[in-house]
Amino acid sequence: QITLKESGPTLVKPTQTLTLTCTFSGFSLSTSGVGVGWIRQPPGKALEWLALIYWNDDKRYSPSLKSRLTITKDTSKNQVVLTMTNMDPVDTATYYCAHRRGGAAAGTGGWFDPWGQGTLVTVSS
Amino acid sequence: SYELTQPPSVSVSPGQTARITCSGDALPKQYAYWYQQKPGQAPVLVIYKDSERPSGIPERFSGSSSGTTVTLTISGVQAEDEADYYCQSADSSGTYQAVFGGGTKLTVL
Repeated sequence: QITLKESGPTLVKPTQTLTLTCTFSGFSLSTSGVGVGWIRQPPGKALEWLALIYWNDDKRYSPSLKSRLTITKDTSKNQVVLTMTNMDPVDTATYYCAHRRGGAAAGTGGWFDPWGQGTLVTVSS
Repeated sequence: SYELTQPPSVSVSPGQTARITCSGDALPKQYAYWYQQKPGQAPVLVIYKDSERPSGIPERFSGSSSGTTVTLTISGVQAEDEADYYCQSADSSGTYQAVFGGGTKLTVL
């Protein structure tokens, strides 16, 4: 059974850097074809893809947020970390991590199943 | 940027068929995926690769694709199907590894 759980601060101040950790079980991020993605959802709004890291350390980012995002993995700890710099109140959202499924080649997208429960991050001074 | 377009809302009576569409230029070349999200919960995958149904998802959920539009069909809608539904795909260049539609609120009357 695959499970994922997000952790990190619930409140950050504007201009600060957000660091979120996704801790997972039931799969290995060293297995070919596997990936972990981050997706966020502002209150009452739609889902937005942020970043995706593949088993081979291929990293992909949403073009609109690429300059602010960094995704890394620690295979030995079964964790993926997302950092987002220069936080703003508009970044207030529930942040989800999710297991990526799809083609064997990295960089081909795919789908997310399952998802973590999400963590609400509020940006406010 | 690449966008997927969904209707904001769809309403049906119990037992009827609900159809939710998603349009995007790259859909003839890229698979689409569908998620169900109930209030306060994480999204759940209900359709992958346009029309495949994950284990545990009721048979009343089905997907189809035609040109630049994909459709999620829920046959014999039940009250428990009331939720937000999101389509997801990617652009043809690989720049956008994942793009979500704006979501459709399904209301069961």
